[in-house]
Amino acid sequence: EAGVAQSPRYKIIEKRQSVAFWCNPISGHATLYWYQQILGQGPKLLIQFQNNGVVDDSQLPKDRFSAERLKGVDSTLKIQPAKLEDSAVYLCASSSTQDTQYFGPGTRLTVL
Amino acid sequence: AQSVAQPEDQVNVAEGNPLTVKCTYSVSGNPYLFWYVQYPNRGLQFLLKYITGDNLVKGSYGFEAEFNKSQTSFHLKKPSALVSDSALYFCAVTRGGSARQLTFGSGTQLTVLP
Repeated sequence: EAGVAQSPRYKIIEKRQSVAFWCNPISGHATLYWYQQILGQGPKLLIQFQNNGVVDDSQLPKDRFSAERLKGVDSTLKIQPAKLEDSAVYLCASSSTQDTQYFGPGTRLTVL
Repeated sequence: AQSVAQPEDQVNVAEGNPLTVKCTYSVSGNPYLFWYVQYPNRGLQFLLKYITGDNLVKGSYGFEAEFNKSQTSFHLKKPSALVSDSALYFCAVTRGGSARQLTFGSGTQLTVLP
């Protein structure tokens, strides 16, 4: 069974630029999560989707971050404009029964 | 609100010795508890979970964890450590019956010395 796929793996941008990350969950997993992991910290949930609907986006900085999962499968996370403090690893995870979450390899973002 | 504490940033153990990585949690209702491991430049890899039932949970690569409700703890253990176990370990909790938002601890770096 293929795991959660994410791209790109690494991205370097300058502040005030925009960036987008892509995630393809495990086939058949209805729930998809985006986490932000700052160096030295545990992952923090940004947004959770159930199929193509948002379950929880309370910790998503909506003035600059947006996410969508239009067809209930792939998802994209966008940052516009980026700030220095957005430098982090962005992890995508998926689950089938809203139980065990399986994580992708992450996208390491560096904002200069 | 739910929270996880991993009191040790770093744990060092000699190869072949038993290892313990500590985790305590706070959550209203029944806890669902998880351990994940993260290798450099990799995502989080699921090790084991406690949902209900036996307090001793066995997982991947010889790891196990003991759920202790009275002490609100879920410590990760392995009887004999390997150098390849060296990695960053995260404990996570969510409330049973909720939408399963995980709250992670800050992580414990395990180093197994040859």
